[in-house]
Amino acid sequence: GESVGLHLPTLSVQEGDNSIINCAYSNSASDYFIWYKQESGKGPQFIIDIRSNMDKRQGQRVTVLLNKTVKHLSLQIAATQPGDSAVYFCAERGGTALIFGKGTTLSVSS
Amino acid sequence: DTAVSQTPKYLVTQMGNDKSIKCEQNLGHDTMYWYKQDSKKFLKIMFSYNNKELIINETVPNRFSPKSPDKAHLNLHINSLELGDSAVYFCASSQDPGLTWNTEAFFGQGTRLTVV
Repeated sequence: GESVGLHLPTLSVQEGDNSIINCAYSNSASDYFIWYKQESGKGPQFIIDIRSNMDKRQGQRVTVLLNKTVKHLSLQIAATQPGDSAVYFCAERGGTALIFGKGTTLSVSS
Repeated sequence: DTAVSQTPKYLVTQMGNDKSIKCEQNLGHDTMYWYKQDSKKFLKIMFSYNNKELIINETVPNRFSPKSPDKAHLNLHINSLELGDSAVYFCASSQDPGLTWNTEAFFGQGTRLTVV
C-alpha cells in the first residue's frame, strides 16, 4: 500500500484565509518530501520541498512543516487565492521515484 | 517551450486494441517516469528509466511496455487494452534518479486514456 497519505480529501476556504493541508507518512526512514499542486486538466507542479533534517521551509506564500516525531507534513498557504484551487499532493522519495499520497482538493471561494 | 510533452492528450479506444503514448522532455534530464492516475486522483509510479535503462518496474501487467529510444524520450505501449486501463497517464522527468535536494520531477500534461 501507499506509505504517504492525507488526512482530508477536501478543504474549502474563503479567499484571503490561510489554508493548511496535512499529510501523514509511514516510512520513518523517508528523507525527502515534496508538495505538488495539480490543477484541473494539468500535470502535477512542484510547489516546495523539504529534507528530513529540516523542520520548516518557506516559499512564496507557502510554508511546509515537517514533524518527524509523528511523521506528519503540512503545507500552509497564506492568503489563499482562487488560483490556489487545485488538488495538493505530498510525496516522499521512495528509492528512485516519488511515492504520492492521495491528494487533498482545495476549493477557494471568493 | 514545453518541458515535458505527451501525445496524445486524449485517447479513446476499444478493448483489445494496442496503443502507444509518447513522451519527450527537452530538459536534458537523465531520468524519466510513467505514472498512472486513477479516478480517485491517486498517482502511482509505473516505470522509471535512467539514461535509457529501466530502473523501476512496479507491479504493472506485462501488457504495458515502456520504450526509451534515447534519454529524451520514453514511450508507453499498451497491448490488449482493458476497461481497467482507463486512467490518466503522466510522464515525468528529473535530473537525478535519486531525487535528491532540488531535483524535482517535472510532469507532462497527462494523457487521458478511455477504454470502451
